[in-house]
Amino acid sequence: GQSLEQPSEVTAVEGAIVQINCTYQTSGFYGLSWYQQHDGGAPTFLSYNALDGLEETGRFSSFLSRSDSYGYLLLQELQMKDSASYFCAVSPGNTPLVFGKGTRLSVIA
Amino acid sequence: KAGVTQTPRYLIKTRGQQVTLSCSPISGHRSVSWYQQTPGQGLQFLFEYFSETQRNKGNFPGRFSGRQFSNSRSEMNVSTLELGDSALYLCASSGGLDNEQFFGPGTRLTVL
Repeated sequence: GQSLEQPSEVTAVEGAIVQINCTYQTSGFYGLSWYQQHDGGAPTFLSYNALDGLEETGRFSSFLSRSDSYGYLLLQELQMKDSASYFCAVSPGNTPLVFGKGTRLSVIA
Repeated sequence: KAGVTQTPRYLIKTRGQQVTLSCSPISGHRSVSWYQQTPGQGLQFLFEYFSETQRNKGNFPGRFSGRQFSNSRSEMNVSTLELGDSALYLCASSGGLDNEQFFGPGTRLTVL
């Protein structure tokens, strides 16, 4: 089976940096994705890592270590609008994404 | 390009009834997946359709079913509704090339 673990809640200050970790156990693995979901909204794609290392997209970066079955999402220069839920998801291969339960990020002034 | 659309956006039903939800994927996308989202449980995969065929199925009872039409639009049906079926039902389409899924706004189902 597949399972993903990520913190349920994280609080950070506006302008700071926050890291959201994700560990996974899957029978197959093609890559790790991150999605953002604001309250009342739909999940939106942030990033995808198929290979080890860091992928940077503006203020957001995502990291993957396949040997450690671990990844993280790094948000820099936090803004109030970054308050949302963040989901990691794995691609086991021949099945659609398996999502973690999400991390609720609260950005405070 | 228009995004994924879902209808209806909100629905209230009573126990024992059935419901049909609709999803129109992004033009050109042939894969449509359905997820159930409840507080604290994240997104749980229901099923995936590709070219009118169910390609994958999650661990949900047989009361949950779906289908896909030749224009890639998809419907999911829940029969004999239970209180625990109250959730946000999300549909996502994918072009299949880069694992990115595009989600619709969801249908919020309340079962009374």
